Amino acid sequence: GEDVEQSLFLSVREGDSSVINCTYTDSSSTYLYWYKQEPGAGLQLLTYIFSNMDMKQDQRLTVLLNKKDKHLSLRIADTQTGDSAIYFCAENGDGGSQGNLIFGKGTKLSVKP
Amino acid sequence: EAGVVQSPRYKIIEKKQPVAFWCNPISGHNTLYWYLQNLGQGPELLIRYENEEAVDDSQLPKDRFSAERLKGVDSTLKIQPAELGDSAVYLCASSLRDGPYEQYFGPGTRLTVT
Repeated sequence: GEDVEQSLFLSVREGDSSVINCTYTDSSSTYLYWYKQEPGAGLQLLTYIFSNMDMKQDQRLTVLLNKKDKHLSLRIADTQTGDSAIYFCAENGDGGSQGNLIFGKGTKLSVKP
Repeated sequence: EAGVVQSPRYKIIEKKQPVAFWCNPISGHNTLYWYLQNLGQGPELLIRYENEEAVDDSQLPKDRFSAERLKGVDSTLKIQPAELGDSAVYLCASSLRDGPYEQYFGPGTRLTVT
């Protein structure tokens, strides 16, 4: 079945770059997403990438997609303490034709001052 | 622009009691989703609505869960009777119908069943 895998924890120092990785299984996914969740809050959409793109940059965020290896990464430049949160990777499964998202378990990013 | 609104934010009930959650999506969003999020997990889809029609409820435990979206705007998710294992966060999200399916989430309702 469809599955999204992420490492569970990442710890970085303030000012460094963070790279969060994700692998997915559904090759027909048309969009892949990164969401951020802070304690006690819902999920915040950070960015998404269309499956025919290799890279997307949005301010401090860079998304890289290797469709052959089904690997997605999120790079956060100049990581700040306010970036500490759980980051979820998601794909639109169900054959890529619908909006049903399949989420990973999330990567908890800790930023040390 | 107001985001997705959910209420209540927290609910504590005893097992076997009923409970209901309410969601008001972003204005103009015809697609509405209910997700279940267990501790340490990503959200899992329970049901997806296109306007007032439930187009995917395959993951909704229909013996105790029900949902409705009257008039294609607000939605209610109900559990009756609640079980201990239902303790989780229930998230509502909304989006436009077509790609890229940017889903915007509400803050969620944290349910504790004792």
